[in-house]
Amino acid sequence: EPEVTQTPSHQVTQMGQEVILRCVPISNHLYFYWYRQILGQKVEFLVSFYNNEISEKSEIFDDQFSVERPDGSNFTLKIRSTKLEDSAMYFCASSEARFPRNEQFFGPGTRLTVL
Amino acid sequence: GENVEQHPSTLSVQEGDSAVIKCTYSDSASNYFPWYKQELGKRPQLIIDIRSNVGEKKDQRIAVTLNKTAKHFSLHITETQPEDSAVYFCAAHAGGTSYGKLTFGQGTILTVHP
Repeated sequence: EPEVTQTPSHQVTQMGQEVILRCVPISNHLYFYWYRQILGQKVEFLVSFYNNEISEKSEIFDDQFSVERPDGSNFTLKIRSTKLEDSAMYFCASSEARFPRNEQFFGPGTRLTVL
Repeated sequence: GENVEQHPSTLSVQEGDSAVIKCTYSDSASNYFPWYKQELGKRPQLIIDIRSNVGEKKDQRIAVTLNKTAKHFSLHITETQPEDSAVYFCAAHAGGTSYGKLTFGQGTILTVHP
């Protein structure tokens, strides 16, 4: 069964450094998402992406964040200048289409630790 | 925006008992309600979902009910097994122009004792 994949599984960085988190969505899916989960808390929406542009973003997704689909398979999340509070698990998800074929499938996550 | 409240935060049951987790949502435009199971350190796994044109859906030992009038939905697990132990999240997706943003509840830690 196809799955969303993410790399790396764990990223450690110094405060102020840039990080890029990578995702490969399920191949026939058209809608892509990033969520984050701070340890022990609920999953929070960051951004949705369709047709090579951001369709929706949350208040968390400020100017320090950007997303890109650099080729036909990868979907990336960049944090320009990391802060301590960016430490979290970042999940990529994808869905085939909009409602009603909008089931979202999550990747295994990248644990980001900012020191 | 949408707000999803989930209860209880922890639930402990004996193997074979039933477990019920409840969620309420605030946005009457929400039209899709998935439930995810998350084991420690793993990805959220979609286990069942329900759309706003349906009142109940069942898949083996798992069922979900939706009351649109009251804006609440519930997950029911029957004949619980130790492998059902995990964190369960409910979520709501707003309709209209939303491109799929899911708003999650706070999660329920379910522990099934053998």
